[in-house]
Amino acid sequence: EPEVTQTPSHQVTQMGQEVILRCVPISNHLYFYWYRQILGQKVEFLVSFYNNEISEKSEIFDDQFSVERPDGSNFTLKIRSTKLEDSAMYFCASTPGTPLGTQYFGPGTRLLVL
Amino acid sequence: AQSVTQPDIHITVSEGASLELRCNYSYGATPYLFWYVQSPGQGLQLLLKYFSGDTLVQGIKGFEAEFKRSQSSFNLRKPSVHWSDAAEYFCAVGSRNTGNQFYFGTGTSLTVIP
Repeated sequence: EPEVTQTPSHQVTQMGQEVILRCVPISNHLYFYWYRQILGQKVEFLVSFYNNEISEKSEIFDDQFSVERPDGSNFTLKIRSTKLEDSAMYFCASTPGTPLGTQYFGPGTRLLVL
Repeated sequence: AQSVTQPDIHITVSEGASLELRCNYSYGATPYLFWYVQSPGQGLQLLLKYFSGDTLVQGIKGFEAEFKRSQSSFNLRKPSVHWSDAAEYFCAVGSRNTGNQFYFGTGTSLTVIP
């Protein structure tokens, strides 16, 4: 069964550094998402992406964040200058044809900012 | 404002006992409702979803959920819990009125005792 993959599984970085989290959505899916989950808290929506542009973003997704689909298969989340509070699990998800369809989640990348 | 409430932070049940996890939502439009399960260190796996039609939906692993519009609830049930069901359970809601943004509850942690 096809699945969403994410790399790396864990990343440790210094405050102020840039990080790029990578996701490979399911190949025929059209809508892509990033969520984050701070330890012990709920899953929070960050951004959705369709047709090579952001379709919706939350208040969390400020100018420090950006997303890109550079080559038609990867979907990346970049944090330009990480802060301590960016430490969280970041999940990528994709849906096949409709924005409110079933979202298939990747296993997540655990980011730790020191 | 849209919100999702999972009133039970943590539930402990005996193996073989029945289970009900509560989810209440506050939405101004017809919601799309989901239950996801997250095992330790894993991503989110879809258990079941409700878009329309029969208000009792069947999911994987023997789970079911019932949409009750009058109570704004979408409670998850399982008649006989297995030790492997121990995990974190998240209710999520989406709506055409919110674009393609999903809202997650804070989760319910399930412990299964022998």
